[in-house]
Amino acid sequence: DAGVIQSPRHEVTEMGQEVTLRCKPISGHDYLFWYRQTMMRGLELLIYFNNNVPIDDSGMPEDRFSAKMPNASFSTLKIQPSEPRDSAVYFCASSLRLDRFLGSYNSPLHFGNGTRLTVT
Amino acid sequence: GENVGLHLPTLSVQEGDNSIINCAYSNSASDYFIWYKQESGKGPQFIIDIRSNMDKRQGQRVTVLLNKTVKHLSLQIAATQPGDSAVYFCAENPEAGKLIFGQGTTLQVKP
Repeated sequence: DAGVIQSPRHEVTEMGQEVTLRCKPISGHDYLFWYRQTMMRGLELLIYFNNNVPIDDSGMPEDRFSAKMPNASFSTLKIQPSEPRDSAVYFCASSLRLDRFLGSYNSPLHFGNGTRLTVT
Repeated sequence: GENVGLHLPTLSVQEGDNSIINCAYSNSASDYFIWYKQESGKGPQFIIDIRSNMDKRQGQRVTVLLNKTVKHLSLQIAATQPGDSAVYFCAENPEAGKLIFGQGTTLQVKP
């Protein structure tokens, strides 16, 4: 299995531009997560999907951020317009399933290698 | 070497020694915990997990200990190797869909 695949690996853009980050989860996983990592705030959950449906987007910073999952094998995270404070590493992760009875994971998240975003 | 709490984010150990990385979690409702290892330029990589109905779980060279009374988690690495140098994160699962990560501890292995 190729694991979670993210693109691009690096993105440098100017303030005000639109940025689109892409993710292909592990085949068969029905949960997909977007995280942001910064030195100041660590790893923060932005949003997650179950069977392509957004379940919890309470971590999305503001309306400039949006995420979609049009099918089971593809998701995007879009920032429009981008700002310097959005500079971070953005990770996508997928999971086989959550334990619906315990409400917790019965398999760990598998992360991609991230997209390093720099907004100047 | 031992890292006491999150106030010492860097742990330096000699190759061959055992390492202990500690983590204090915050939510008593959490019932599942994971340790991740993150190398430079890569995403977090699963190491070992444990459910709240256990207090110890062993893997290959790694052991996770869970103390629910004081909400404390530790990762023990036996015979630490240079390839173990990385940032280590604990994560807790307080509710469905949520995985909350600690701030991380940098492990430096001296040859």
